[in-house]
Amino acid sequence: EVQLLESGGGLVQPGGSLRLSCVASGFSFSTYAMIWVRQAPGKGLEYVSAISGSGAVAYYADSVQGRFTISRDNSKNTLYLQLNSLGAEDTAVYFCAKSPSVSPTHDFFDYWGQGTLVTVSS
Amino acid sequence: DIQMTQSPSTLSASVGDRVTITCRASQSIDTWLAWYQQKPGKAPHLLIYRASSLESGVPSRFSGSGSGTEFTLTISGLQPDDFATYYCQQYSSYWTFGQGTKVEIK
Repeated sequence: EVQLLESGGGLVQPGGSLRLSCVASGFSFSTYAMIWVRQAPGKGLEYVSAISGSGAVAYYADSVQGRFTISRDNSKNTLYLQLNSLGAEDTAVYFCAKSPSVSPTHDFFDYWGQGTLVTVSS
Repeated sequence: DIQMTQSPSTLSASVGDRVTITCRASQSIDTWLAWYQQKPGKAPHLLIYRASSLESGVPSRFSGSGSGTEFTLTISGLQPDDFATYYCQQYSSYWTFGQGTKVEIK
């Protein structure tokens, strides 16, 4: 059974940093691309960042380019998202999700974690 | 960037109704479109990919159609478990979601 478990969310002050983790199980982690998607309270879904199965290629939404960094450790079956220079607009539930392919381009996402809440407030 | 626009934003329906949700892309995305269902406090759940392919395990009352810029999600015979919010997502160029359609009880 595919499982994705996010952690690392919490309350952080504006300008602060956090690192989110997503531990995967039930599939060959390195074979599949992964994505982070966020959802602000009461709002819709927004793509944040994606990474290929090997970790060699990464993609970022314009809204987080230069502030967030996606990475993965295939030996630990873990996906990461480093969040820096956080602002109130980054407050959201952050979901990790799995692609059915090694490259996320031209792909949807077939399994999702339950999310971790990031709150940016002073 | 490709923009996705869903309509309606909210839909009131009864159990047994046939429900249709529309998603329009700002430029052609061929059939690179997925539909997800999300319930409050839960993760999105994949229903349809490649515009009309039903994900394994998803009930056959869900169907998708369309290509280019206009797509539809149809629920034939709404069930109590189907009251939720539905999102379309394009994956032709990066990834963009529609704003969502909430299906509520009439």
